[in-house]
Amino acid sequence: GQNIDQPTEMTATEGAIVQINCTYQTSGFNGLFWYQQHAGEAPTFLSYNVLDGLEEKGRFSSFLSRSKGYSYLLLKELQMKDSASYLCAGTDSNYQLIWGAGTKLIIKP
Amino acid sequence: GAVVSQHPSWVICKSGTSVKIECRSLDFQATTMFWYRQFPKQSLMLMATSNEGSKATYEQGVEKDKFLINHASLTLSTLTVTSAHPEDSSFYICSASRGEGPDTQYFGPGTRLTVL
Repeated sequence: GQNIDQPTEMTATEGAIVQINCTYQTSGFNGLFWYQQHAGEAPTFLSYNVLDGLEEKGRFSSFLSRSKGYSYLLLKELQMKDSASYLCAGTDSNYQLIWGAGTKLIIKP
Repeated sequence: GAVVSQHPSWVICKSGTSVKIECRSLDFQATTMFWYRQFPKQSLMLMATSNEGSKATYEQGVEKDKFLINHASLTLSTLTVTSAHPEDSSFYICSASRGEGPDTQYFGPGTRLTVL
């Protein structure tokens, strides 16, 4: 079956670094997305990885290992506004997104 | 670029009435639009995928006669919740993509539906 696993909740301190992991099993694979969703709002696109390696975009970076079925989202210099849910979504062979349940990130001062 | 709007942002209706939600891609042509439902503290649940000019493809368990989807143009899709009941109360979110391979989905701001 198809499955996306990520932790339910994580807590980190303002100014610190946090890594949110995601493992995936999909029928075929055409890349992995990370989205950010603040409470009561729609998701916003953060990153898309289809090749192995790390892609950096400002304070946020995303990593993919296709052989391990593994990705992570790295957030640096955490700010209070980074408190949100982070959704991992894999793309299967039909280009359909398989969504994880999301990781709620709580930032403490 | 890639802005998606949704209207209304919230709606309260009586049980048994129908509600229409509009989703528009403002600055790009959306070959494919997606409709999601999200209950509190849960992940997104894909309801249906629609391509412009053709019938929507509904996910298993989603009643196509209850959730009517029309994708009449490359910039507009509508979701009509017919004969709404309190259990239909949820956050409905649309997204749009250019439809090219694993294309990024751009989300609308969502519509919060409350059925009394």
